[in-house]
Amino acid sequence: KAGVTQTPRYLIKTRGQQVTLSCSPISGHRSVSWYQQTPGQGLQFLFEYFSETQRNKGNFPGRFSGRQFSNSRSEMNVSTLELGDSALYLCASSFESVLNYEQYFGPGTRLTVT
Amino acid sequence: TQLLEQSPQFLSIQEGENLTVYCNSSSVFSSLQWYRQEPGEGPVLLVTVVTGGEVKKLKRLTFQFGDARKDSSLHITAAQPGDTGLYLCAGPQFTGTASKLTFGTGTRLQVTL
Repeated sequence: KAGVTQTPRYLIKTRGQQVTLSCSPISGHRSVSWYQQTPGQGLQFLFEYFSETQRNKGNFPGRFSGRQFSNSRSEMNVSTLELGDSALYLCASSFESVLNYEQYFGPGTRLTVT
Repeated sequence: TQLLEQSPQFLSIQEGENLTVYCNSSSVFSSLQWYRQEPGEGPVLLVTVVTGGEVKKLKRLTFQFGDARKDSSLHITAAQPGDTGLYLCAGPQFTGTASKLTFGTGTRLQVTL
């Protein structure tokens, strides 16, 4: 069974630009969550999508958005990039709720904002 | 907000030594998970503990869930360089009708020859 895949793996953007990251979950998994990981803040929850609906959202500004498609693939978008958005962005998939089902992570997208 | 504090934050040991990493919270969790993350990669799930007092073993790794389900520990016996990485505990947090995983602050382990 293929794992969670994320594209691209590395990205360099300039402050003020926008970026879109992609995530393909494990086949059969309907929940996709996104996290931001930085050395200072650790792993922080961005949002979760389930059946094309945002089910949960973390404490991030509106510049961070996402969506999920009917095949469960998900994208996240960051607009008006700031230097502080430089981070490893991780996608994780789960069959359903993380309460009852384990979550599996992709390798992440390393975003550098200059 | 349920917070998970891990200790120690950093650990540098030599091959063959034993170590214990702690994950503590003031709140009760229905379960706790342990992940290991290597540089440039996503976290990989090691184990999920569900029952208070539960002990699970994964080769040289022993995981324990506290009786009150507020804390957990990870013990590594005879550490090897391949154990090097960032160890994260995580627990599900209820937010209304939805849930999410809350991650601990992390323990960075380095095992040298």
